[in-house]
Amino acid sequence: ILNVEQSPQSLHVQEGDSTNFTCSFPSSNFYALHWYRWETAKSPEALFVMTLNGDEKKKGRISATLNTKEGYSYLYIKGSQPEDSATYLCAFYSGSARQLTFGSGTQLTVLP
Amino acid sequence: DAGVIQSPRHEVTEMGQEVTLRCKPISGHDYLFWYRQTMMRGLELLIYFNNNVPIDDSGMPEDRFSAKMPNASFSTLKIQPSEPRDSAVYFCASSLTGPGETQYFGPGTRLLVL
Repeated sequence: ILNVEQSPQSLHVQEGDSTNFTCSFPSSNFYALHWYRWETAKSPEALFVMTLNGDEKKKGRISATLNTKEGYSYLYIKGSQPEDSATYLCAFYSGSARQLTFGSGTQLTVLP
Repeated sequence: DAGVIQSPRHEVTEMGQEVTLRCKPISGHDYLFWYRQTMMRGLELLIYFNNNVPIDDSGMPEDRFSAKMPNASFSTLKIQPSEPRDSAVYFCASSLTGPGETQYFGPGTRLLVL
């Protein structure tokens, strides 16, 4: 069983604040790291797929970095808005497991 | 494209009844996944198919659960007999070329077994 951990479990920030959270995963046999955004009562929506050590991806105010050697990825949100409120899931894919293993998510609430 | 389609969106049934969940993947996607989401265990993979063939069913909880994919555009997840502990949201997802690639999720089926 692969261990994918996300921290913090939940986070409240004020509108306009920048924030970041962490995904930790096994550093061996790495293939890909995914980030998904999951709004309440909707389905997970893909943000990024990252495959190379040192990868940085950006979509609007959201960006992510990847360190495969030490087994972590950061997701950053610049100037948080209420519509950013969601659960952010990371998922790890290894060459041996042949399936995505999801973390438990970071639940972000942006207060107006 | 309509995305991944699931039906029904909500299902309420009584313990012991058979439940069938349905999924239509995105056209052209070779992989289809069934997930279950619960408060206790989060999002967990039940089974996935490649070109209609089951590849990994190690996440299927027990013999009461079965899944089929008779063709490239349709899959079912069946629970028989259902139990209250099966209450969860069941998601179907599909991806173009592999389980490590971006997965596109359907809206989910919210199942309540009384």
